[in-house]
Amino acid sequence: SAVISQKPSRDICQRGTSLTIQCQVDSQVTMMFWYRQQPGQSLTLIATANQGSEATYESGFVIDKFPISRPNLTFSTLTVSNLSPEDSSIYLCSVSGLPTTDTQYFGPGTRLTVL
Amino acid sequence: GENVEQHPSTLSVQEGDSAVIKCTYSDSASNYFPWYKQELGKRPQLIIDIRSNVGEKKDQRIAVTLNKTAKHFSLHITETQPEDSAVYFCAANRATGTASKLTFGTGTRLQVTL
Repeated sequence: SAVISQKPSRDICQRGTSLTIQCQVDSQVTMMFWYRQQPGQSLTLIATANQGSEATYESGFVIDKFPISRPNLTFSTLTVSNLSPEDSSIYLCSVSGLPTTDTQYFGPGTRLTVL
Repeated sequence: GENVEQHPSTLSVQEGDSAVIKCTYSDSASNYFPWYKQELGKRPQLIIDIRSNVGEKKDQRIAVTLNKTAKHFSLHITETQPEDSAVYFCAANRATGTASKLTFGTGTRLQVTL
């Protein structure tokens, strides 16, 4: 499977600011996804990061709050904007396409705390 | 859209016993069902998956069974060990266009006691 890294691994941010999370893969992948995992909860898909075009957002998630970029097949960013304490979560990227389009592997996650 | 239910939410077994976690899904078009193990503070790790063209798959002490008619699938762990203690998530895919998205169950916290 691919080696997936995320930066930062954790951060503490002030209310009203933004945090950009980077996801880097060591090989080209078909799909990249962004998930949120609130404390003690399951994984919720935020959006699919599309290479060279706008991301596809799930119900309840909007581009103004979670802008996403994917400039190439190995890199994506998720920005969480206008932070509030309710945004405190773990944010994970995942990739698929290795070996099949279904199989997803996760990055290590970014733990965000908003004060 | 797809809905995945998972039971039980917590499971405690003695070392050496078996553990079974069950999931049901709603979308009959789903055809891929992975299981992830998440240890505290770690990323979800794919441990086994099954596609709808088979009814059972085994990998050492873990196995997954699938009943397409009933729309449910189960994870079986035999001869449990303390290192099996973790949260386990089932998932089902939603094949939409070119992106195969996953819907996750709510998770099962497995505790293996000595």
